[in-house]
Amino acid sequence: NAGVTQTPKFRVLKTGQSMTLLCAQDMNHEYMYWYRQDPGMGLRLIHYSVGEGTTAKGEVPDGYNVSRLKKQNFLLGLESAAPSQTSVYFCASSYRWGETNEKLFFGSGTQLSVL
Amino acid sequence: QQQVKQSPQSLIVQKGGISIINCAYENTAFDYFPWYQQFPGKGPALLIAIRPDVSEKKEGRFTISFNKSAKQFSLHIMDSQPGDSATYFCAAPAGGTSYGKLTFGQGTILTVHP
Repeated sequence: NAGVTQTPKFRVLKTGQSMTLLCAQDMNHEYMYWYRQDPGMGLRLIHYSVGEGTTAKGEVPDGYNVSRLKKQNFLLGLESAAPSQTSVYFCASSYRWGETNEKLFFGSGTQLSVL
Repeated sequence: QQQVKQSPQSLIVQKGGISIINCAYENTAFDYFPWYQQFPGKGPALLIAIRPDVSEKKEGRFTISFNKSAKQFSLHIMDSQPGDSATYFCAAPAGGTSYGKLTFGQGTILTVHP
């Protein structure tokens, strides 16, 4: 099993450009999440999904949109990138929370720079 | 919104020493407190977790100590090894129905010198 796979691994954007980050998991997990990691701020939840076709806002959703058209995929979109969105983005997935394994499985991250 | 405050920001320990990282939280309603370990270039991975019905949980060299009255929990790494050098994050449920939403601490960069 590959686990959680994120593409691309690195990307440089100019202010105002758009892009989509792709997350795929092969563990049949119900829940998926997008976090961003910034120095000294830990990881902050952007959006999450509790099942195919569902999405919800996390702590820092502004400037991002998400879609979960298939259970195994969770897409994060930036419609008009800003320098403040320079960060490392992590996708994670998990089983239904409250079941035996309360554990987030993280991908290896996407480093995004917005100039 | 649950907040988690982690300290110290960085920690340097000699091989064989004890590493201690602390976290404080605000809301006593939640029942799950994990620690995640992150190596450079990798995503975080669950290291150990505790529920507040116990005061301590040990897995190998890693121990979580939980103080419910003080709203604090800490990670102890015994016999620290250079391979333990990583960033460590404490976390707690983010509020409301959890759905696995976690609020993470700011992170502690641990360096273990040989």
